[in-house]
Amino acid sequence: DAKTTQPPSMDCAEGRAANLPCNHSTISGNEYVYWYRQIHSQGPQYIIHGLKNNETNEMASLIITEDRKSSTLILPHATLRDTAVYYCIVRPHTGNQFYFGTGTSLTVIP
Amino acid sequence: SQTIHQWPATLVQPVGSPLSLECTVEGTSNPNLYWYRQAAGRGLQLLFYSVGIGQISSEVPQNLSASRPQDRQFILSSKKLLLSDSGFYLCAWSVEGFPEAFFGQGTRLTVV
Repeated sequence: DAKTTQPPSMDCAEGRAANLPCNHSTISGNEYVYWYRQIHSQGPQYIIHGLKNNETNEMASLIITEDRKSSTLILPHATLRDTAVYYCIVRPHTGNQFYFGTGTSLTVIP
Repeated sequence: SQTIHQWPATLVQPVGSPLSLECTVEGTSNPNLYWYRQAAGRGLQLLFYSVGIGQISSEVPQNLSASRPQDRQFILSSKKLLLSDSGFYLCAWSVEGFPEAFFGQGTRLTVV
């Protein structure tokens, strides 16, 4: 079962930062936070993951609170192509299953 | 490089007919393999996962079954389809110790 809670939908103006929140209050010490996104009618795509430190890659930044009970995915300059459903997942780094919740549907508005 | 093949892309089947969806992975060995279903407007539901040949774990009771006859082949089957089996089916793979799961392009199944 998904162990995360996300808002069902969000809008963001093109060129602005998109901040997508995720609550994972029951996260265990060995569980990482992963983010994926799914563009309509395609398979999900990995974005980023982290344990307790903030992470940044070419796609996004991940901010994890000190108590690890929540996190925020940041798309620094949203484009129309970032319109997608974004999933926040928690799982052990060596775990087998990936449980997706219902995610946040992000719409980037021109 | 690793690739995942899933077919067919779309499928329309009558109620009560059998189903066989196939997924193959290239460029990696001993992957973890997954089948997911996404009903219209819903999230991704994990149906089955496999850590090796012949090893299948079912996540939810249902009208479907999975098999892994070869290391990089994962098959989703049904003997008799129900209307509720309609949805978008996705195959995925991952490797132990690496963070990412890689998804196929999916099969959109419509049971009529």
